[in-house]
Amino acid sequence: GQNIDQPTEMTATEGAIVQINCTYQTSGFNGLFWYQQHAGEAPTFLSYNVLDGLEEKGRFSSFLSRSKGYSYLLLKELQMKDSASYLCAVEYSGAGSYQLTFGKGTKLSVIP
Amino acid sequence: GAVVSQHPSRVICKSGTSVKIECRSLDFQATTMFWYRQFPKQSLMLMATSNEGSKATYEQGVEKDKFLINHASLTLSTLTVTSAHPEDSSFYICSARDIDQPQHFGDGTRLSIL
Repeated sequence: GQNIDQPTEMTATEGAIVQINCTYQTSGFNGLFWYQQHAGEAPTFLSYNVLDGLEEKGRFSSFLSRSKGYSYLLLKELQMKDSASYLCAVEYSGAGSYQLTFGKGTKLSVIP
Repeated sequence: GAVVSQHPSRVICKSGTSVKIECRSLDFQATTMFWYRQFPKQSLMLMATSNEGSKATYEQGVEKDKFLINHASLTLSTLTVTSAHPEDSSFYICSARDIDQPQHFGDGTRLSIL
């Protein structure tokens, strides 16, 4: 089975940096995704890590350690529009293709 | 970037009605499409995985006779909720992927059964 753990809620100040952690236990691990989801909307893709290390994309960076079953999403220069849920999703082999299991999401509130 | 179109965005109908939701990949061929369901304040739960031209694989606890999935082409998958009841009210989201690409999500369909 798949088990993903991430904090339920976080609050950070506009302009600051915030790190959202995700730990997982899974079989057939292939990679790890981060998605952003605003209330009432579908998720949008942020990042994908397959190998250990840091992937940087503008204000967002994502890190993966496969041996530790650990990832984090780093958001810099926070803006009010970054207030959303951030979903950690593990990709694994299943049903003849790669499937995703989502964590419950971390609701980030950015305050002035 | 990859675009996935999902239609309709919102459905309100009476109990016992069957509802069809379409999911289209607009600028790529989707070898696999996925259907998720999300209840309020819950995470996305995978309902089924659909590969073009073959039967969908349903997750445990999802009734295949109630949630009919058809993936007739590399750009279109449909989910039909048959004889929907109030407990089927939820946010249904499809996603699509091509080989070696991340899943891209449609905008979701909010289904409300009265």
